[in-house]
Amino acid sequence: DAGVIQSPRHEVTEMGQEVTLRCKPISGHNSLFWYRQTMMRGLELLIYFNNNVPIDDSGMPEDRFSAKMPNASFSTLKIQPSEPRDSAVYFCASSLSTGVNQPQHFGDGTRLSIL
Amino acid sequence: DAKTTQPPSMDCAEGRAANLPCNHSTISGNEYVYWYRQIHSQGPQYIIHGLKNNETNEMASLIITEDRKSSTLILPHATLRDTAVYYCIVRVAGADGLTFGKGTHLIIQP
Repeated sequence: DAGVIQSPRHEVTEMGQEVTLRCKPISGHNSLFWYRQTMMRGLELLIYFNNNVPIDDSGMPEDRFSAKMPNASFSTLKIQPSEPRDSAVYFCASSLSTGVNQPQHFGDGTRLSIL
Repeated sequence: DAKTTQPPSMDCAEGRAANLPCNHSTISGNEYVYWYRQIHSQGPQYIIHGLKNNETNEMASLIITEDRKSSTLILPHATLRDTAVYYCIVRVAGADGLTFGKGTHLIIQP
């Protein structure tokens, strides 16, 4: 079975540019999560969706970050304009639902470097 | 969410059982214990989870003490590919994100 698919795997861009990260959740999963991992802060939840609707975006660091889920099989995380401190590995995860008994399954991440 | 405490690192010989401990002394009755691992350059991988009963799947076994204040993840026959950082997470209903601590770096020795 296909797992969570993220693209691109690596992104290097200059400060000020727009960055778009993409995620395809596991088919049939109704909940989708975006996380960011850095050495300093570890893994942090940025935003999550349930049935394509954003439920909690309190982890989104600034207005420069936005996320959408136009349908059940696709989500994007956009940074505009990007800054060097946004450099991190961004993970997408999905689960059958947001229930506490439902494990989240992660993609392999996008390693983002802002120069 | 309840705080978890794990040893920062552990070694285990290839072919032996790896037993990874986790303390969660402030766990509440409706909080689940989850285990994930992260192999270098990959996303966190779900291993197993449980509430109060011991659990087993194709990857591992989870042993939760009767008072639920600690648990042990058991990899029955460790291989070199099991070298990773293992995270013990306590998850409460309503907290939809996972809170990862520093985990245990498990090194399988040939």
